[in-house]
Amino acid sequence: NAGVTQTPKFRILKIGQSMTLQCTQDMNHNYMYWYRQDPGMGLKLIYYSVGAGITDKGEVPNGYNVSRSTTEDFPLRLELAAPSQTSVYFCASSAPGQAYEQYFGPGTRLTVT
Amino acid sequence: EDQVTQSPEALRLQEGESSSLNCSYTVSGLRGLFWYRQDPGKGPEFLFTLYSAGEEKEKERLKATLTKKESFLHITAPKPEDSATYLCAVPARGAGGNMLTFGGGTRLMVKP
Repeated sequence: NAGVTQTPKFRILKIGQSMTLQCTQDMNHNYMYWYRQDPGMGLKLIYYSVGAGITDKGEVPNGYNVSRSTTEDFPLRLELAAPSQTSVYFCASSAPGQAYEQYFGPGTRLTVT
Repeated sequence: EDQVTQSPEALRLQEGESSSLNCSYTVSGLRGLFWYRQDPGKGPEFLFTLYSAGEEKEKERLKATLTKKESFLHITAPKPEDSATYLCAVPARGAGGNMLTFGGGTRLMVKP
């Protein structure tokens, strides 16, 4: 099992550009999450999904969009990138009944200049 | 509002020097407390779940304990490979009940 994979590992965006962060898991987990991590601030939940076709906002959803068309994939879309979106983004997944035992991907380091 | 605070922010230990990390929380109706380890440049890795005051969990040199207001992660005779950031989290109030509120983490550095 590869677990949770994320692409790209690094990306530099100019203000106003858009991009999609990819996330795939091969553990057949229903639940998937997107977090951002800023230095010393812990992890903040952006969006989550409890299954294909179902998504919901987390704590900091503004400026982001998600979709979940399959169990495996949960892409995160950034529209009109802003410097405040400079962060490290982590995707995670978990199984029903063990929602808080989350498996994380390696992260995408995004810089917006 | 649920809050999770970890202390200290950073901790330097010599190899073999035991210590404890603190995670204090203010939530109503605790539904579990979770510890994660995060190595530099990697995603967090799940360590422990604690559900009730008095509960303890152990893994190698780590032992996690829980009281009604805080949790401790005790590290006994640490080795350099224990160096990492340790995060604690509690379930957040929110739709679906799948959200975690994370603390800011404690960065542990163990020197040989």
